[in-house]
Amino acid sequence: DTAVSQTPKYLVTQMGNDKSIKCEQNLGHDTMYWYKQDSKKFLKIMFSYNNKELIINETVPNRFSPKSPDKAHLNLHINSLELGDSAVYFCASSQGATGVAFFGQGTRLTVV
Amino acid sequence: EDKVVQSPLSLVVHEGDTVTLNCSYEVTNFRSLLWYKQEKKAPTFLFMLTSSGIEKKSGRLSSILDKKELFSILNITATQTGDSAVYLCAVEAGSARQLTFGSGTQLTVLP
Repeated sequence: DTAVSQTPKYLVTQMGNDKSIKCEQNLGHDTMYWYKQDSKKFLKIMFSYNNKELIINETVPNRFSPKSPDKAHLNLHINSLELGDSAVYFCASSQGATGVAFFGQGTRLTVV
Repeated sequence: EDKVVQSPLSLVVHEGDTVTLNCSYEVTNFRSLLWYKQEKKAPTFLFMLTSSGIEKKSGRLSSILDKKELFSILNITATQTGDSAVYLCAVEAGSARQLTFGSGTQLTVLP
């Protein structure tokens, strides 16, 4: 059973397009996250979402918006894609006070 | 701004060697420090440390935290080629429950 799953695994799209990446977790966790990993392998938090409370990293452009239809899903929607958005995007989830985040397999986004 | 620094950035050793990876941090309201191993895809959890001086151990891997000097080390003894990966250190701090990651150490173990 996959604990945190993301789709698609690979996404190639043109500049200016709008795209979404889906994430689902079956761990029963109450907090979900989106991270961006750049070409230098630096993982940086974009959003965390807990019980309808959204915490946004202030450096994230407002073209990025998370959408959570329910506790088990946190999708990432990106408007007007730019070349610099090319990266691997990881979804993660955690429960309560443990702080241990479990990661999905990542979505490699390439903007051409 | 919270900051996590790992060293070295990369390391090449031969099978059987012992390695020590370093992680230092400057954060507000420290909660925990975590180590992850990232091979090709998702980072996988290794250890979570919250108290100083208590070693966590799993097989050939061990880790310890020093909250006074604000650092942690990850030791791998008798390295194997399967240990080749990027090792990520992350610190959880503040009320937002978000992890700040270091840039990782790329470990390559040669046969």
